[in-house]
Amino acid sequence: KAGVTQTPRYLIKTRGQQVTLSCSPISGHRSVSWYQQTPGQGLQFLFEYFSETQRNKGNFPGRFSGRQFSNSRSEMNVSTLELGDSALYLCASRGQGTGELFFGEGSRLTVL
Amino acid sequence: AQSVTQLDSQVPVFEEAPVELRCNYSSSVSVYLFWYVQYPNQGLQLLLKYLSGSTLVKGINGFEAEFNKSQTSFHLRKPSVHISDTAEYFCAVSESHAGNMLTFGGGTRLMVKP
Repeated sequence: KAGVTQTPRYLIKTRGQQVTLSCSPISGHRSVSWYQQTPGQGLQFLFEYFSETQRNKGNFPGRFSGRQFSNSRSEMNVSTLELGDSALYLCASRGQGTGELFFGEGSRLTVL
Repeated sequence: AQSVTQLDSQVPVFEEAPVELRCNYSSSVSVYLFWYVQYPNQGLQLLLKYLSGSTLVKGINGFEAEFNKSQTSFHLRKPSVHISDTAEYFCAVSESHAGNMLTFGGGTRLMVKP
């Protein structure tokens, strides 16, 4: 069974640009969540989607948005990038009834 | 609001020695507790979880943790570490056993020396 797949793995952007990150959950998993990991703030919850609906959102500005498609794949978008958005963005999926989140390897974003 | 404190940012230890990574949490409601491990350039992998029942939880790779409600702690232990255990370890809490909204501690870097 393939794990959680995130693309791209690495990317470099400049301030003011926008970026879209993609996440394909484990087959059969309908719940997807996103986390931001930085050296200063650690791991912080961004948002959670289930069956194309956002169920929870963390304390991030509106520049951070996401969506989930009918095949459970998810994307997150960050607009008007700032230097502080440089981070590892982790996607996780969860099967129904289980408490375990399965994480992808992340997308490392560098903003110059 | 919940919070998680991992008391040690780095723990150096010699191979085959025992180790304990400390985690304390605060929450106004019942919580579910998790330990994750992150190897370099990888995502997080679940080591173990406490949802209910026995307070001593056994996980993968020989790790175990004990839930102590009175001390609001969930310390991770391993009786004998290997070089391959060198990684970052994260303690996390959730208000729901089936929710994705985890609050993580700041992490503890375990460095196993030969």
